[in-house]
Amino acid sequence: NAGVMQNPRHLVRRRGQEARLRCSPMKGHSHVYWYRQLPEEGLKFMVYLQKENIIDESGMPKERFSAEFPKEGPSILRIQQVVRGDSAAYFCASSRDTGSLTSYEQYFGPGTRLTVT
Amino acid sequence: AQTVTQSQPEMSVQEAETVTLSCTYDTSESNYYLFWYKQPPSRQMILVIRQEAYKQQNATENRFSVNFQKAAKSFSLKISDSQLGDTAMYFCAFVTGSNYKLTFGKGTLLTVNP
Repeated sequence: NAGVMQNPRHLVRRRGQEARLRCSPMKGHSHVYWYRQLPEEGLKFMVYLQKENIIDESGMPKERFSAEFPKEGPSILRIQQVVRGDSAAYFCASSRDTGSLTSYEQYFGPGTRLTVT
Repeated sequence: AQTVTQSQPEMSVQEAETVTLSCTYDTSESNYYLFWYKQPPSRQMILVIRQEAYKQQNATENRFSVNFQKAAKSFSLKISDSQLGDTAMYFCAFVTGSNYKLTFGKGTLLTVNP
């Protein structure tokens, strides 16, 4: 499967625990984005990363949330001390770096549905 | 602020008929790209069609086409010969040339009836 991979697909955490969501971009894509979808809502941008760099994290909550995209391995979205309000679907997307329209086309993974109990 | 408005929370259409989903957006930038994404019950986000704002010609992908009215900031999606598999949430989105963040509308739930 050459698409964007996310795991786990479903994650249940108790309040106060940590959640780690993983994303492997499509082959040939060097840009990764994380979005959050609350029930009955569209997707909201959280963070944009390139390898070893956070380019834009303007959509990330100031506390408890962090993201990384290391030189080797998948991108990780980490939520510390989860609360019930963190329950949502978290989508990862990736894109190429070509300087054309295709740079702006983002392809999404299947999402991780986080449930905080 | 950059916003996307989808004024139709839900729509339904009979199989084989044509349906149009509306979308308006707001941005002060002149260079941007518009997209329609489909989210079926599996919740996978699927890119349906894209449009470059500087192109006047409306994009077409098989049964999907758009009506792009730049002055009105309108970007509607037309689905011809609707199929049962078209049942999904449809999200309108755009990204500007100055950043890579997609801004999404709240979506339109389309149901295709047999």
